[in-house]
Amino acid sequence: VQLVESGGGLVQPGGSLRLSCAASGFNLSSYAMHWVRQAPGKGLEWVSVISYDGDIKYYVDSVKGRFTISRDNAKNTLYLQMNSLRPEDTAVYYCARGEGGMTTVTTDYWGQGTLVTVSS
Amino acid sequence: EVVMTQSPLSLPVTLGQPASISCRSSQSLVYSDGNTYLIWFHQRPGQSPRRLIYKVSNRDSGVPDRFSGSGSGSDFTLKISSVEAEDVGVYYCMQGAHWPRTFGQGTRVEIK
Repeated sequence: VQLVESGGGLVQPGGSLRLSCAASGFNLSSYAMHWVRQAPGKGLEWVSVISYDGDIKYYVDSVKGRFTISRDNAKNTLYLQMNSLRPEDTAVYYCARGEGGMTTVTTDYWGQGTLVTVSS
Repeated sequence: EVVMTQSPLSLPVTLGQPASISCRSSQSLVYSDGNTYLIWFHQRPGQSPRRLIYKVSNRDSGVPDRFSGSGSGSDFTLKISSVEAEDVGVYYCMQGAHWPRTFGQGTRVEIK
């Protein structure tokens, strides 16, 4: 199992960024996928999850209406579109493979993360 | 939102000695299917988290048997029977029974 995030960088407040997570070593289309973030020097915060087929999505309240999770199983890629970015969104963003049914899905394997910095 | 509370937040340990971390949830983590969705992760400095334990007490493949998880309902414990140097880092619990998923604050384990 390998998960490789990309797309992070420096963006101004109010700006947008799209993160990608390239999956390999397993059949992405069979798994739900998560995004989890970690602000510098802080703990882990779950951000969003998407079902294996893209039909079901959940978000933490702080990103609802601003972030959109999506996937392209044919390209073995997970995405996170982030709009209206705020300084408090600054973090390393990890993608993580889901495990279990959608109602109780948790995570097993994680990528190495990509850093998003929101600053003027 | 389910609040996950870990203690202690910092844990200095002597090599070869046991260590124990507590994780308490503000709601029961027992789901209607009868399973309890509590996970433990370990994050070494500069690395991404690695899952150690799932559903309270099930060790992941490759995880040394000095790690064990126990507990029920809303009260859980991760134990290391004999701490080794590679065990340093931050340990997190996470719940998978309620939305949104939530993590504990983390417990930093360091060698005395």
